[in-house]
Amino acid sequence: AQRVTQPEKLLSVFKGAPVELKCNYSYSGSPELFWYVQYSRQRLQLLLRHISRESIKGFTADLNKGETSFHLKKPFAQEEDSAMYYCALSGVSNTGKLIFGQGTTLQVKP
Amino acid sequence: KAGVTQTPRYLIKTRGQQVTLSCSPISGHRSVSWYQQTPGQGLQFLFEYFSETQRNKGNFPGRFSGRQFSNSRSEMNVSTLELGDSALYLCASRLTQGSEKLFFGSGTQLSVL
Repeated sequence: AQRVTQPEKLLSVFKGAPVELKCNYSYSGSPELFWYVQYSRQRLQLLLRHISRESIKGFTADLNKGETSFHLKKPFAQEEDSAMYYCALSGVSNTGKLIFGQGTTLQVKP
Repeated sequence: KAGVTQTPRYLIKTRGQQVTLSCSPISGHRSVSWYQQTPGQGLQFLFEYFSETQRNKGNFPGRFSGRQFSNSRSEMNVSTLELGDSALYLCASRLTQGSEKLFFGSGTQLSVL
C-alpha cells in the first residue's frame, strides 16, 4: 500500500539551529515526492519536489530510495519557517492525486 | 491571477442532508482535485477532474461525487451527510502538461450536526 509517514507531530527548535523534518514512504514503484507547507492563515503551497533538485528558502530534500525517505533539511532555522509541513507522494506522473503524510508542525523559537 | 476560489467558506448541515461545494480554479488551469482534511485522517484525496471527466478517484463512498463544467469550475456533492463528514474540504487546481504542482484554495469548512 502507498503510505507516507511523518513520525513527528511537532518539532521545536531555536532560531539558527539545524532542522530536519522526517518523511518515510512506502511505495513499490518509483514515486515522486513533494514537500508542501502551510504558514499561519495561508493556503497550503508547494515548497519543493524531489525531481527539481532545488533549494527553496534554504530548504533541501534528497530522495533516498534505499531508506525510502525524503527528509527536509535546513542548516539554520528562521522564525519565519514556523509552519505546518506535509510530505506527499505521487505514484504516477501528471496527476493531481497525492498521498499526504499527517504533517509536522515546525516551531522555531527566538 | 486570482487564486483558487472555494465557496462557501463555512457550512453547517444536519445529518441526512446533502451539500454542494464549489471551486473555481486558477485561470488556465484545467485540472481540479478535491481533498478532505480531518484531524484524525489528515489530507485524503477524493477525486480529480480534467476536461469535465473524472480522472482519478480516492477511497470514498458513492455519497461523495463531483463534476466539472466546461469553464473548469468544479463542484463536489455529498449526499446523506453523516457526522463523520465534518471536515475541511480543499480544492486544488493545476496546469496539466506534466505538472503536479497543486495550487490549493482556502477550503470549505463543513460541520455536520
